[in-house]
Amino acid sequence: DIVMTQSPDSLAVSLGERATINCKSNRSVLYSSNNKNYLAWYQHKPGQPPKLVIHWASTRESGVPDRFSGSGSGTDFTLTISSLQAEDVALYYCQQYFSIPFTFGPGTKVDIK
Amino acid sequence: EVRLVESGGGLVQPGGSLRLSCTASEFTFGSYAMTWVRQAPGKGLEWVSAVTNSGDTTLYADSVKGRFTISRDNSKSTLYLQMNNLRAEDTALYYCAKGSSASSYSSADWWGQGTLVTVSS
Repeated sequence: DIVMTQSPDSLAVSLGERATINCKSNRSVLYSSNNKNYLAWYQHKPGQPPKLVIHWASTRESGVPDRFSGSGSGTDFTLTISSLQAEDVALYYCQQYFSIPFTFGPGTKVDIK
Repeated sequence: EVRLVESGGGLVQPGGSLRLSCTASEFTFGSYAMTWVRQAPGKGLEWVSAVTNSGDTTLYADSVKGRFTISRDNSKSTLYLQMNNLRAEDTALYYCAKGSSASSYSSADWWGQGTLVTVSS
């Protein structure tokens, strides 16, 4: 199985400041045939279902504010919230969909400082 | 807007069975892969199973392989998860999610609210 790790476990950022979450896989999730990274980021708020934020490592899902961006390739990925808003408080999970089972990271809790 | 409504959860004894359903609307159900993801109390997300748009390819986590069966009825826009020989560790909120493409190797771009499964004597 591909093991996904995230850092930090949690972070608190002031409103309007940048939040950065890291995700690492123990094997590459880059498919050489199409040069795509099979990596997604989800936002999960209490009492709500998860919401897709980023797929293919860097493609923002439709309707997601442009303050969210994803980067990275191979085994190392980053989700950046450029200017944290109150509504961004949530757990954030990365997930690889390159190899069965499609494993999730343990999650990173983002809060307001 | 895409709508996914799960049902069929409940309390079941260890060794028992349940069938979860997920009724979809507001998108062409037969064009997309579908997935089940669960979240045990106080834990993170765990991918369970996925099926291609046509239903011809099914994928499972090792933890449920041989006990769970994913299927779909495109004529009814409904996804199923037959869960047999349930264990305490299967206790979780089960989410149905729509794949972003016909392939199971895709992200999940819409999720239902989930249905709770509790396995306990």
